Amino acid sequence: QTVVTQEPSFSVSPGGTVTLTCGLSSGSVSTSNYPSWHQQTPGQAPRTLIYSTNTRSSGVPDRFSGSILGNKAALTITGAQADDESDYYCVLFMSTGRWVFGGGTKLTVL
Amino acid sequence: EVQLVESGGGLVQPGGSLRLSCAASGFSLSGYYMHWVRQAPGKGLVWVSRINSDGSSTNYADSVKGRFTISRDNAKNTLYLHMNSLRAEDTAVYYCLRINGGDWGQGTLVTVSS
Repeated sequence: QTVVTQEPSFSVSPGGTVTLTCGLSSGSVSTSNYPSWHQQTPGQAPRTLIYSTNTRSSGVPDRFSGSILGNKAALTITGAQADDESDYYCVLFMSTGRWVFGGGTKLTVL
Repeated sequence: EVQLVESGGGLVQPGGSLRLSCAASGFSLSGYYMHWVRQAPGKGLVWVSRINSDGSSTNYADSVKGRFTISRDNAKNTLYLHMNSLRAEDTAVYYCLRINGGDWGQGTLVTVSS
């Protein structure tokens, strides 16, 4: 069974830039996996940041961007702010017709 | 304003059934594939099921296949998840999601316990 991989944790300084990645245990991520990125703070419903690789959801600031970097999907946050401290999840579409979430990345801003 | 509002969660005994609903407003459900996603307490997000725009095609995670059924009523602008043979491990907050558009509901809690 294919596993979607994410860094368990990451740290960034306020104002800094961080790139989170989303890979596959077998194979490469492409635009055909329609990667999307979702932010969740404790006790809240998730919020979509990016879908279809690089389309920003309504109201999401342009310091969040999505791309394919090498064989992974990537979420880049530029000018990190304190309230970016959250869990970030990617989800990928598989050729079986199913979607699979990664385990999430806990981002700390300090 | 786009909104997704889930309902129908609650406490149910193992082996029991529930039907979750997700009412959409601010957009026409008929134009979009829709998903159900769940999150067990303290755990990550898990994709459960997807339905295409006219309801003719569905997909399920292995953990729920054969027990859960996703459906939709585009005339009522509502998505459903019929859950049968519920197990303790189905305990979670269930969210509906429109991936293309990036909209989530607020979630509804399903607790399976005797």
